[in-house]
Amino acid sequence: AQRVTQPEKLLSVFKGAPVELKCNYSYSGSPELFWYVQYSRQRLQLLLRHISRESIKGFTADLNKGETSFHLKKPFAQEEDSAMYYCALSEGSGGSNYKLTFGKGTLLTVNP
Amino acid sequence: DGGITQSPKYLFRKEGQNVTLSCEQNLNHDAMYWYRQDPGQGLRLIYYSQIVNDFQKGDIAEGYSVSREKKESFPLTVTSAQKNPTAFYLCASSIRGFTEAFFGQGTRLTVV
Repeated sequence: AQRVTQPEKLLSVFKGAPVELKCNYSYSGSPELFWYVQYSRQRLQLLLRHISRESIKGFTADLNKGETSFHLKKPFAQEEDSAMYYCALSEGSGGSNYKLTFGKGTLLTVNP
Repeated sequence: DGGITQSPKYLFRKEGQNVTLSCEQNLNHDAMYWYRQDPGQGLRLIYYSQIVNDFQKGDIAEGYSVSREKKESFPLTVTSAQKNPTAFYLCASSIRGFTEAFFGQGTRLTVV
């Protein structure tokens, strides 16, 4: 069974402050993890995936298999980062029953 | 204009009636998904399909049905058996075996 936990429903920071959105997962296989973001009145969209090891809009996320975590970080938050963030987990690519499971989401508010 | 389209945006249904939500994509994606989004619950998977004429139940399939007769279409029927149908429904698609999912704008269903 897959499970994704985002312990914080709400997170509020000031502009310029560091931000970390937590995500822990439970999965017996080899995980693929993602962060999706939903800005106000926009579609849910992919922010980044762990296999790419990329930085998008200043955000990074490192997969820690020992701690089964995939926390999203940004050193200096901007007001435009305010959005709902979802951590998501899928089975390994190429699986015949590919399934994408989401956490409950964290609403990030960046105050001026 | 390529993408994934859900219709209608808002839908009202009388209790005891079935209703069908439309989802169409012109991205040539093999895989399609239906999620339900409730406040504080995140996204929960209802049904998913990896290929035409095949689909699997997700985590909350009871009271829902789907069909996948064409690659570009994956309609969801909310039946009268669904005890709490009022929700925001999201459809998504992806290339089979590739894990980025593209989402529609959603349909808000209200049972009156």
